[in-house]
Amino acid sequence: GDSVTQMEGPVTLSEEAFLTINCTYTATGYPSLFWYVQYPGEGLQLLLKATKADDKGSNKGFEATYRKETTSFHLEKGSVQVSDSAVYFCALRGTYKYIFGTGTRLKVLA
Amino acid sequence: GAGVSQSPSNKVTEKGKDVELRCDPISGHTALYWYRQSLGQGLEFLIYFQGNSAPDKSGLPSDRFSAERTGGSVSTLTIQRTQQEDSAVYLCASSYLPGQSYSSNQPQHFGDGTRLSIL
Repeated sequence: GDSVTQMEGPVTLSEEAFLTINCTYTATGYPSLFWYVQYPGEGLQLLLKATKADDKGSNKGFEATYRKETTSFHLEKGSVQVSDSAVYFCALRGTYKYIFGTGTRLKVLA
Repeated sequence: GAGVSQSPSNKVTEKGKDVELRCDPISGHTALYWYRQSLGQGLEFLIYFQGNSAPDKSGLPSDRFSAERTGGSVSTLTIQRTQQEDSAVYLCASSYLPGQSYSSNQPQHFGDGTRLSIL
């Protein structure tokens, strides 16, 4: 069945460091791919999405490119801030079900 | 505009009691999902409602769990005879999926969740 695998955390970085959170997926067909972010004490918020191969989703300085050849959707940001500290979830959507990764906790130190 | 609203935000109850969790989706959203998020875990799919179609209950962990959606809007997740392992954050999400086409690029919108603690 469909699945999402993302790197385990926690990831601890200094402010202004470069961020990569790896995400790979297994799916039949051509799913849409998403990154969601969960700030402390809050629900999940959509961060960015990509709906077809080679699409690049971007928002708030974060980017992720839908790579069909490597079945990946890695999240990147060139310069993280303390306010980016949160849990990040990679997800795919096939027909109607969403499959989420286990989440990667990011902690950014000032 | 109004987002997905869940109530209560926190619930503490004794083992063996029944609990009801409520979700008000975004107006006009046809699809509604319930998830469970245990400490340090990802999101576990519980149940999915779409319009008037039969719900997908494949994620419900036991027959103590049930959910309904009245009038295609508000949903209630009920847990009977709660156990300590039911302690988790229960998240509701809604999405717009028009007609019979499963538009795969529509994101979900999440509520802030209900934190359930079973003593």
